[in-house]
Amino acid sequence: SQQGEEDPQALSIQEGENATMNCSYKTSINNLQWYRQNSGRGLVHLILIRSNEREKHSGRLRVTLDTSKKSSSLLITASRAADTASYFCATGNQAGTALIFGKGTTLSVSS
Amino acid sequence: DAGVIQSPRHEVTEMGQEVTLRCKPISGHDYLFWYRQTMMRGLELLIYFNNNVPIDDSGMPEDRFSAKMPNASFSTLKIQPSEPRDSAVYFCASSLYGTASYEQYFGPGTRLTVT
Repeated sequence: SQQGEEDPQALSIQEGENATMNCSYKTSINNLQWYRQNSGRGLVHLILIRSNEREKHSGRLRVTLDTSKKSSSLLITASRAADTASYFCATGNQAGTALIFGKGTTLSVSS
Repeated sequence: DAGVIQSPRHEVTEMGQEVTLRCKPISGHDYLFWYRQTMMRGLELLIYFNNNVPIDDSGMPEDRFSAKMPNASFSTLKIQPSEPRDSAVYFCASSLYGTASYEQYFGPGTRLTVT
């Protein structure tokens, strides 16, 4: 399976702090995606990083990819209460036609 | 565009009843995906369609589950008969392209409770 596994399962921080979530996967990938899910809502795409990229930024988000370690990290800087959500990494299935999601990291940001 | 639309948002039914979940993808998206989310198993891909044709239904748990896409703007996921272990949130998602290199757009989900 190419399912990503996020770590930690849960993370609690104060507003203004940085939050780092990690994702490990099992086989080679072409790219890796990160999604956010607010409570009771659908998933929202955050960022996609390709296998030939090592780092990518989008606003307060920074994603890194280390294909040698088969791992990725999502860093949220200067977190806000509105960042409270579950965060999922996703990689392609063997055929590369669909996404396989990890079980997610639940982030709680308190003010 | 209104995004992916799912109905109903909540469904409560008794064991043995038929349940039909509905999805309208984003216009122009050729790929449609059905997922199920539970605490125990996370987000599981059930089936996906390309141009209204089912491509991979290997994630459908049992024959009690069936999905159709009669046209480009509508899909249904049916469970007959329903069982308590089917209780979950069911998401529909659509994508412009079907490879894992493109983002998927998710609907708000249908929370199904089978008693």
